[in-house]
Amino acid sequence: EIVMTQSPATLSVSPGERATLSCRASQSVSSNLAWYQQKPGQAPRLLIYGASTRATGIPARFSGSGSGTEFTLTISSLQSEDFAVYYCQQYNNWPSGLTFGGGTKVEIK
Amino acid sequence: QVTLKESGPVLVKPTETLTLTCTVSGFSLSNARMGVSWIRQPPGKALEWLAHIFSNDEKSYSTSLKSRLTISKDTSKSQVVLTMTNMDPVDTATYYCARILRIGLTDYWGQGTLVTVSS
Repeated sequence: EIVMTQSPATLSVSPGERATLSCRASQSVSSNLAWYQQKPGQAPRLLIYGASTRATGIPARFSGSGSGTEFTLTISSLQSEDFAVYYCQQYNNWPSGLTFGGGTKVEIK
Repeated sequence: QVTLKESGPVLVKPTETLTLTCTVSGFSLSNARMGVSWIRQPPGKALEWLAHIFSNDEKSYSTSLKSRLTISKDTSKSQVVLTMTNMDPVDTATYYCARILRIGLTDYWGQGTLVTVSS
């Protein structure tokens, strides 16, 4: 099973600042990597797929990069609605299974 | 408009079998390009994929839970059913169903249903 490791577990950022979240795969997942945002009491929402393609309706301040085993989600200027938990998910060995990272909580500094 | 809605018991006893239903709208379970996955999330913890099913009845299960899970669908009712046997308190979680594309992306999620396992 491919293990996804996210860091840091918690990121404290002031509104308007840049946030950089990391995700590492235990083996190469090529560009088959997605990012999700989850707010309290809500289901996850797809932000990024293919490591760098924004899903429909996702603002341009969200960007993804990386390939292989190292990936980054960048939020260029944090808005109040961006404080949430972010998960990465690999789908490289699909349909054998999906694996998610442990999440990064972005909180207000 | 694509929607998914989970339904089932909020409380089950240890050793019982859990049956959850996902009712979908806005897409058809006969569409070969997409299917339905079940994913769960224990309180305060990360997401865990459980199973999926596609229109041709192709199924896949989490390796660690395979012996306890069964997924099925009723295309005419637009429903996908997940059963999990021998429930344990560690299975307490919010259970989500989600639309999954053939490449493995989950693009629409239900609101989730919290299932508590307790005697």
